Amino acid sequence: DTEVTQTPKHLVMGMTNKKSLKCEQHMGHRAMYWYKQKAKKPPELMFVYSYEKLSINESVPSRFSPECPNSSLLNLHLHALQPEDSALYLCASSPLDRVLRGANVLTFGAGSRLTVL
Amino acid sequence: AQKITQTQPGMFVQEKEAVTLDCTYDTSDQSYGLFWYKQPSSGEMIFLIYQGSYDEQNATEGRYSLNFQKARKSANLVISASQLGDSAMYFCAMREGRVRAQGGSEKLVFGKGTKLTVNP
Repeated sequence: DTEVTQTPKHLVMGMTNKKSLKCEQHMGHRAMYWYKQKAKKPPELMFVYSYEKLSINESVPSRFSPECPNSSLLNLHLHALQPEDSALYLCASSPLDRVLRGANVLTFGAGSRLTVL
Repeated sequence: AQKITQTQPGMFVQEKEAVTLDCTYDTSDQSYGLFWYKQPSSGEMIFLIYQGSYDEQNATEGRYSLNFQKARKSANLVISASQLGDSAMYFCAMREGRVRAQGGSEKLVFGKGTKLTVNP
């Protein structure tokens, strides 16, 4: 079982809908990430939260709105999406202070597959 | 310019044989980190192995080893004794700069991936 849980696994929404993707981890990690992965492409970083504060926003359109209510939860609020936003959305977490040979390794969830009609 | 290049879109290997997946990278930083992740069809990205730019020894994790050639800027993944469950997409990724300089978070850039198929 993955230690990063994402819900829902699949989501279909219209362009006028508002929906949210949720991510939860209980590994005590203090960094959480959202990645977007289009079909047959590599993951692309969207947002990073460090200590529940947004630390990196990779110029993501405002129709994607992240939220980190506490150290275990990460949400991605979706509004007025376009069909080209259809993708696999991956959440990940990592420690910030347990550097292993120079790295804080990311643990990923299984993703939420989003289809925008 | 691409930061991470994986030139093999697909690779085939017989079960129990070894396979090498290629990865070259481009950075002007002296400090950086290189990662390999496996992505089965289920979608989850699974961490395999890490190599820091200052590590003098090649990293090994069980059946996985990383052939790090710093002068050539290559970080190839070697999988020994392939198993059917190794069939998946494999991504090479890089973090430029020291992790502490980024507050501890890892800003990874991924290559396009190599699809490995293990045949029985």
